[in-house]
Amino acid sequence: EAGVTQFPSHSVIEKGQTVTLRCDPISGHDNLYWYRRVMGKEIKFLLHFVKESKQDESGMPNNRFLAERTGGTYSTLKVQPAELEDSGVYFCASSQNQGGETQYFGPGTRLLVL
Amino acid sequence: QKEVEQNSGPLSVPEGAIASLNCTYSDRGSQSFFWYRQYSGKSPELIMFIYSNGDKEDGRFTAQLNKASQYVSLLIRDSQPSDSATYLCAVFLASYDKVIFGPGTSLSVIP
Repeated sequence: EAGVTQFPSHSVIEKGQTVTLRCDPISGHDNLYWYRRVMGKEIKFLLHFVKESKQDESGMPNNRFLAERTGGTYSTLKVQPAELEDSGVYFCASSQNQGGETQYFGPGTRLLVL
Repeated sequence: QKEVEQNSGPLSVPEGAIASLNCTYSDRGSQSFFWYRQYSGKSPELIMFIYSNGDKEDGRFTAQLNKASQYVSLLIRDSQPSDSATYLCAVFLASYDKVIFGPGTSLSVIP
């Protein structure tokens, strides 16, 4: 069974540009989560999808971040326009059920904004 | 007080010793507790989860949960150099309805 996959693995962009990150969850997992880890900090929750619906987006830093999960399969996270403080590693995780269910993580996308 | 706290380390132990990693959490209503291992440049990898008070053993790993003290730990017996990584404690906090991660403890096993 394939795990959670993310694309791209790395992205280097200039301040003001747009970047779109993609996550493909484990097949059959309705729950998809986005997290971010900035340098030296802990992993922070961004948002949670249940199928195509946003269950909780309380962790989204500001309106420069837009997440979608059309069709309830893969998800995209767009940052527009990117700022220097957006640099970090963006992780996607999925789980079969929500609540206290184990979340399986993707390899992450390392974003560097110059 | 942060929701999930861990000693940042680094924690150094000699090969073959027991490594003890600790985690405290703020929400008494927390239900599920996870330990993830993260190698440098890699994604977090689930090692163990525990839901009930007491000990849970899986190979060289033992998770211990004490809900009264709001404390969860991970013991690694017969530590190996390949165990050197950052260990993340993650707690499903009922009050937040989401999994919250601690800052991680860096473990170094010295050959």
